[in-house]
Amino acid sequence: DIKMTQSPSTLSASVGDRITITCRASQSIDNWLAWYQQKPGKAPKLLIFKASSLENRVPSRFAGAGSGTEFTLTITSLQPDDFATYHCQQFKSYPWTFGQGTKVDIK
Amino acid sequence: EVQLVESGGGLVKPGGSLRLSCVASGFTFRDYTMNWVRQAPGKGLEWISSISDGSSYIQYGDSVKGRITVSRDDAENSLYLQMDSLTDDDTAVYFCARSDSAHIFYYCYMDVWGKGTTVIVSS
Repeated sequence: DIKMTQSPSTLSASVGDRITITCRASQSIDNWLAWYQQKPGKAPKLLIFKASSLENRVPSRFAGAGSGTEFTLTITSLQPDDFATYHCQQFKSYPWTFGQGTKVDIK
Repeated sequence: EVQLVESGGGLVKPGGSLRLSCVASGFTFRDYTMNWVRQAPGKGLEWISSISDGSSYIQYGDSVKGRITVSRDDAENSLYLQMDSLTDDDTAVYFCARSDSAHIFYYCYMDVWGKGTTVIVSS
């Protein structure tokens, strides 16, 4: 199974900050990576697919990058609505696996 | 509007069974791979099963293999998850999710999610 590791587990930031979350795969997944945003008690929401493609209606302040084993999700100017938990997921092969999540909270 | 609505969760004793349902609307359900993902309290997301359009391909996660069965009824636009021999570790919110493109089973991500249904396994 492909293990996905996110860092950091928690990130404290302020509105307007630029933040970056890292996701590493235990083996190459090419660009078969998605990022999801999840708020407490809610379903995950797709942000990024194929490592860097922005889902429809997702603000352009979200950007994904990377390939192979190392990936990043960057939010260029953090907005109040962005405080949430972010999950990466590989879909290169079954079993699909997620990172453990990164919680972005208010500093 | 594309929508997925799960139901069937509840409180069940260890060793018991439960059948979850997910009703889809707003898209041609029969054309899409459908998936189940769960989230234990305070934990991350865990993919547990996928079923292709036409039910030709099915995959299960290792933690549930042998104890769950995924199925679909395209006439009813419904996805199901039969769960048996439940343990405390199965306590979670269970989400159904659609794969992003029609007629694909591999290399697809999940673009539409339901709100989830809660399963609690406890004596």
